[in-house]
Amino acid sequence: EAQVTQNPRYLITVTGKKLTVTCSQNMNHEYMSWYRQDPGLGLRQIYYSMNVEVTDKGDVPEGYKVSRKEKRNFPLILESPSPNQTSLYFCASSLYGTGLYSNQPQHFGDGTRLSIL
Amino acid sequence: KQEVTQIPAALSVPEGENLVLNCSFTDSAIYNLQWFRQDPGKGLTSLLLIQSSQREQTSGRLNASLDKSSGRSTLYIAASQPGDSATYLCAPKGAGTYKYIFGTGTRLKVLA
Repeated sequence: EAQVTQNPRYLITVTGKKLTVTCSQNMNHEYMSWYRQDPGLGLRQIYYSMNVEVTDKGDVPEGYKVSRKEKRNFPLILESPSPNQTSLYFCASSLYGTGLYSNQPQHFGDGTRLSIL
Repeated sequence: KQEVTQIPAALSVPEGENLVLNCSFTDSAIYNLQWFRQDPGKGLTSLLLIQSSQREQTSGRLNASLDKSSGRSTLYIAASQPGDSATYLCAPKGAGTYKYIFGTGTRLKVLA
């Protein structure tokens, strides 16, 4: 089954304790992206990756890191989490298609709910 | 900077009604626009993607239209059912970018 898998689904942790949220897709998609969803603000893009070893900032990258060492995986790293990073996080992927002029739809994981105390 | 607005924010209707959900965006330089539904505790499911060169896209009871010059898209749901209850989100993709900007969504409840 074609899917985007995120782990963990839920996490409660404390300020300053490094954490990683994993994202994996089995569709051989080149493009992957991370979003956070907050009430009243909608989904906002954190980082995206066009292919292996190619990443760029979205609209809210502060406090986050990403890496793309393999095509299927795109982990989101919070080096020193803070309470304002409490949110619902989504990973998404799509075929690269023609890149900037791509009309490929995005496929989303089920989300990771992070609470940082 | 692109801003996306969805009106209404919430909608409650009896089963069987035809619905129109609205999405407006400030920057008309988009390459496509995607409509999603989001169920509680779940991720987003892609419903329709409409390219900037298209006026309409249809899938079953769903029809999406796009008027790029006026910065508007509508999602039409025919003969609504309780299973259509969800939050509906639109996301235009800026021309020449890899970025997607999402609206805050319309929360739909269809009553049996």
